[in-house]
Amino acid sequence: EAGVAQSPRYKIIEKRQSVAFWCNPISGHATLYWYQQILGQGPKLLIQFQNNGVVDDSQLPKDRFSAERLKGVDSTLKIQPAKLEDSAVYLCASSLGTIRGTTNTGELFFGEGSRLTVL
Amino acid sequence: KQEVTQIPAALSVPEGENLVLNCSFTDSAIYNLQWFRQDPGKGLTSLLLIQSSQREQTSGRLNASLDKSSGRSTLYIAASQPGDSATYLCAVNTGGFKTIFGAGTRLFVKA
Repeated sequence: EAGVAQSPRYKIIEKRQSVAFWCNPISGHATLYWYQQILGQGPKLLIQFQNNGVVDDSQLPKDRFSAERLKGVDSTLKIQPAKLEDSAVYLCASSLGTIRGTTNTGELFFGEGSRLTVL
Repeated sequence: KQEVTQIPAALSVPEGENLVLNCSFTDSAIYNLQWFRQDPGKGLTSLLLIQSSQREQTSGRLNASLDKSSGRSTLYIAASQPGDSATYLCAVNTGGFKTIFGAGTRLFVKA
Protein backbone atom coordinates (compact mmCIF):
# COMPACT_ATOMS: atom_id res chain seq x y z
CA GLU A 1 0.00 0.00 0.00
CA ALA A 2 1.43 3.36 -1.00
CA GLY A 3 2.01 5.82 1.83
CA VAL A 4 1.41 9.55 2.00
CA ALA A 5 3.29 11.30 -0.81
CA GLN A 6 4.65 14.83 -0.51
CA SER A 7 6.61 17.11 -2.81
CA PRO A 8 8.95 18.84 -3.03
CA ARG A 9 11.14 17.42 -0.27
CA TYR A 10 13.20 20.59 -0.03
CA LYS A 11 12.62 24.19 -1.03
CA ILE A 12 14.73 27.30 -0.51
CA ILE A 13 13.20 30.69 -1.25
CA GLU A 14 13.76 34.30 -0.34
CA LYS A 15 11.37 36.18 1.93
CA ARG A 16 8.32 37.63 0.21
CA GLN A 17 8.41 34.90 -2.44
CA SER A 18 5.71 32.26 -2.74
CA VAL A 19 5.87 28.48 -2.42
CA ALA A 20 3.45 25.58 -2.80
CA PHE A 21 3.54 22.09 -1.34
CA TRP A 22 1.61 19.10 -2.58
CA CYS A 23 0.28 16.06 -0.73
CA ASN A 24 -1.39 12.88 -1.89
CA PRO A 25 -2.86 10.89 1.03
CA ILE A 26 -3.23 7.15 1.35
CA SER A 27 -5.94 5.91 -0.99
CA GLY A 28 -9.36 5.94 0.68
CA HIS A 29 -8.35 8.21 3.56
CA ALA A 30 -11.03 10.84 4.02
CA THR A 31 -9.16 13.05 6.48
CA LEU A 32 -6.08 15.03 5.51
CA TYR A 33 -3.96 17.22 7.76
CA TRP A 34 -1.21 19.79 7.23
CA TYR A 35 1.19 20.29 10.13
CA GLN A 36 4.03 22.77 10.58
CA GLN A 37 7.06 21.54 12.52
CA ILE A 38 9.65 24.10 13.58
CA LEU A 39 13.05 22.73 14.55
CA GLY A 40 13.02 21.31 18.07
CA GLN A 41 9.24 21.47 18.43
CA GLY A 42 6.36 19.08 17.94
CA PRO A 43 4.14 19.38 14.88
CA LYS A 44 1.45 22.07 15.00
CA LEU A 45 -1.81 21.57 13.11
CA LEU A 46 -2.38 24.15 10.40
CA ILE A 47 -5.48 22.79 8.70
CA GLN A 48 -7.61 19.64 8.70
CA PHE A 49 -9.82 18.51 5.81
CA GLN A 50 -12.65 15.99 5.87
CA ASN A 51 -13.05 14.97 2.22
CA ASN A 52 -12.96 18.38 0.49
CA GLY A 53 -14.31 20.41 3.41
CA VAL A 54 -12.31 22.27 6.06
CA VAL A 55 -12.80 20.95 9.59
CA ASP A 56 -10.28 23.07 11.45
CA ASP A 57 -8.11 25.93 10.21
CA SER A 58 -7.97 27.89 13.44
CA GLN A 59 -4.16 27.97 13.51
CA LEU A 60 -3.64 28.72 9.83
CA PRO A 61 -2.21 32.24 9.27
CA LYS A 62 -4.81 33.09 6.68
CA ASP A 63 -3.16 36.33 5.62
CA ARG A 64 -0.39 34.36 3.98
CA PHE A 65 -1.26 30.66 4.06
CA SER A 66 -3.92 28.93 2.01
CA ALA A 67 -4.79 25.30 1.40
CA GLU A 68 -7.23 23.42 -0.76
CA ARG A 69 -8.39 19.88 -1.37
CA LEU A 70 -10.67 20.40 -4.33
CA LYS A 71 -11.61 16.82 -5.22
CA GLY A 72 -11.29 15.35 -1.76
CA VAL A 73 -8.05 13.54 -2.62
CA ASP A 74 -4.78 15.42 -2.98
CA SER A 75 -4.11 18.80 -1.41
CA THR A 76 -1.96 21.88 -1.91
CA LEU A 77 -0.62 24.21 0.79
CA LYS A 78 0.54 27.64 -0.37
CA ILE A 79 2.49 30.38 1.38
CA GLN A 80 2.49 33.86 -0.11
CA PRO A 81 4.41 35.94 0.79
CA ALA A 82 6.83 33.88 2.85
CA LYS A 83 8.47 35.21 6.01
CA LEU A 84 11.68 34.10 7.71
CA GLU A 85 9.67 32.48 10.53
CA ASP A 86 7.95 30.18 8.02
CA SER A 87 11.14 28.14 7.81
CA ALA A 88 10.00 24.71 8.98
CA VAL A 89 9.08 21.24 7.84
CA TYR A 90 5.55 20.98 6.46
CA LEU A 91 4.09 17.59 7.18
CA CYS A 92 1.05 16.06 5.56
CA ALA A 93 -0.86 13.27 7.27
CA SER A 94 -3.99 11.29 6.54
CA SER A 95 -6.37 9.04 8.43
CA LEU A 96 -9.18 6.70 7.50
CA GLY A 97 -12.89 7.33 7.79
CA THR A 98 -15.16 10.02 9.10
CA ILE A 99 -14.92 12.04 12.27
CA ARG A 100 -17.80 10.24 14.00
CA GLY A 101 -17.08 6.80 12.50
CA THR A 102 -16.87 4.24 15.26
CA THR A 103 -14.66 1.95 13.23
CA ASN A 104 -12.03 4.60 12.66
CA THR A 105 -9.09 4.19 15.02
CA GLY A 106 -7.96 7.70 14.18
CA GLU A 107 -4.44 6.51 13.44
CA LEU A 108 -2.41 9.11 11.60
CA PHE A 109 -0.02 8.29 8.77
CA PHE A 110 2.58 10.87 7.78
CA GLY A 111 4.51 11.68 4.65
CA GLU A 112 8.25 12.44 4.59
CA GLY A 113 7.61 16.18 4.85
CA SER A 114 8.66 19.23 2.85
CA ARG A 115 11.49 21.25 4.36
CA LEU A 116 11.22 24.98 3.67
CA THR A 117 14.07 27.42 4.19
CA VAL A 118 13.25 31.12 3.84
CA LEU A 119 16.29 33.38 3.41
CA LYS B 1 -7.37 23.38 26.03
CA GLN B 2 -5.41 20.14 25.69
CA GLU B 3 -1.68 20.41 26.33
CA VAL B 4 0.81 17.59 25.89
CA THR B 5 4.16 17.52 27.70
CA GLN B 6 7.03 15.09 27.23
CA ILE B 7 9.76 14.50 29.76
CA PRO B 8 12.69 14.31 29.46
CA ALA B 9 13.41 16.53 26.47
CA ALA B 10 16.58 14.56 25.77
CA LEU B 11 18.03 11.29 27.00
CA SER B 12 21.34 9.53 26.46
CA VAL B 13 21.71 5.88 27.52
CA PRO B 14 24.19 3.05 26.94
CA GLU B 15 23.22 0.25 24.63
CA GLY B 16 21.21 -2.53 26.27
CA GLU B 17 19.52 -0.35 28.86
CA ASN B 18 15.77 -0.46 29.39
CA LEU B 19 14.22 3.00 29.34
CA VAL B 20 10.95 4.84 29.83
CA LEU B 21 9.74 7.92 28.02
CA ASN B 22 6.95 9.94 29.58
CA CYS B 23 4.00 11.82 28.13
CA SER B 24 1.42 13.78 30.10
CA PHE B 25 -1.76 15.49 28.93
CA THR B 26 -4.08 17.92 30.67
CA ASP B 27 -7.53 16.76 29.50
CA SER B 28 -8.41 13.10 30.08
CA ALA B 29 -11.23 13.17 27.50
CA ILE B 30 -9.19 11.66 24.70
CA TYR B 31 -10.07 9.40 21.77
CA ASN B 32 -6.65 7.78 21.47
CA LEU B 33 -2.95 8.33 22.04
CA GLN B 34 -0.28 7.60 19.46
CA TRP B 35 3.49 7.28 19.79
CA PHE B 36 5.66 8.21 16.83
CA ARG B 37 9.31 7.98 15.96
CA GLN B 38 11.04 10.69 13.91
CA ASP B 39 14.51 10.30 12.43
CA PRO B 40 16.44 13.45 11.48
CA GLY B 41 15.10 15.00 8.28
CA LYS B 42 12.31 12.45 8.04
CA GLY B 43 8.59 12.29 8.59
CA LEU B 44 6.85 10.59 11.51
CA THR B 45 6.57 6.82 11.75
CA SER B 46 3.74 5.41 13.84
CA LEU B 47 4.93 3.06 16.59
CA LEU B 48 1.90 2.31 18.73
CA LEU B 49 -1.67 3.53 19.02
CA ILE B 50 -3.69 3.09 22.22
CA GLN B 51 -7.43 3.59 22.13
CA SER B 52 -9.03 5.36 25.08
CA SER B 53 -10.56 2.07 26.27
CA GLN B 54 -7.19 0.29 26.30
CA ARG B 55 -4.50 0.24 28.97
CA GLU B 56 -1.48 -0.78 26.89
CA GLN B 57 -0.16 -1.88 23.52
CA THR B 58 2.95 -3.86 22.68
CA SER B 59 5.05 -4.18 19.54
CA GLY B 60 8.32 -6.05 19.73
CA ARG B 61 10.58 -4.31 22.26
CA LEU B 62 8.13 -1.45 22.68
CA ASN B 63 5.33 -1.23 25.22
CA ALA B 64 3.07 1.78 25.63
CA SER B 65 0.71 2.27 28.55
CA LEU B 66 -2.15 4.69 29.06
CA ASP B 67 -3.65 5.99 32.29
CA LYS B 68 -6.37 8.44 31.32
CA SER B 69 -7.37 9.31 34.86
CA SER B 70 -3.90 10.62 35.65
CA GLY B 71 -3.31 12.02 32.17
CA ARG B 72 -0.21 9.94 31.52
CA SER B 73 1.29 7.58 29.01
CA THR B 74 4.67 5.87 29.02
CA LEU B 75 6.67 4.30 26.24
CA TYR B 76 8.92 1.51 27.47
CA ILE B 77 11.84 0.45 25.26
CA ALA B 78 13.51 -2.80 26.24
CA ALA B 79 17.16 -3.60 25.54
CA SER B 80 17.84 -0.34 23.70
CA GLN B 81 19.99 -0.38 20.55
CA PRO B 82 21.88 2.39 18.70
CA GLY B 83 19.26 2.10 15.95
CA ASP B 84 16.66 3.30 18.44
CA SER B 85 18.28 6.74 18.43
CA ALA B 86 15.62 9.18 17.23
CA THR B 87 13.04 11.65 18.50
CA TYR B 88 9.96 10.07 20.04
CA LEU B 89 6.71 12.03 19.88
CA CYS B 90 3.51 11.52 21.79
CA ALA B 91 0.23 12.67 20.18
CA VAL B 92 -3.19 12.89 21.78
CA ASN B 93 -6.35 12.71 19.70
CA THR B 94 -8.97 14.81 21.44
CA GLY B 95 -11.95 13.64 19.43
CA GLY B 96 -13.06 15.24 16.22
CA PHE B 97 -9.70 13.78 15.27
CA LYS B 98 -7.81 16.86 16.36
CA THR B 99 -4.37 15.61 17.33
CA ILE B 100 -2.10 17.55 19.67
CA PHE B 101 1.61 16.72 19.80
CA GLY B 102 4.20 16.98 22.52
CA ALA B 103 7.60 18.49 21.74
CA GLY B 104 9.24 15.07 21.79
CA THR B 105 12.08 13.29 23.57
CA ARG B 106 15.40 13.07 21.73
CA LEU B 107 16.94 9.69 22.48
CA PHE B 108 20.58 8.79 21.89
CA VAL B 109 21.69 5.21 22.49
CA LYS B 110 25.45 4.86 22.79
CA ALA B 111 27.15 1.78 21.39
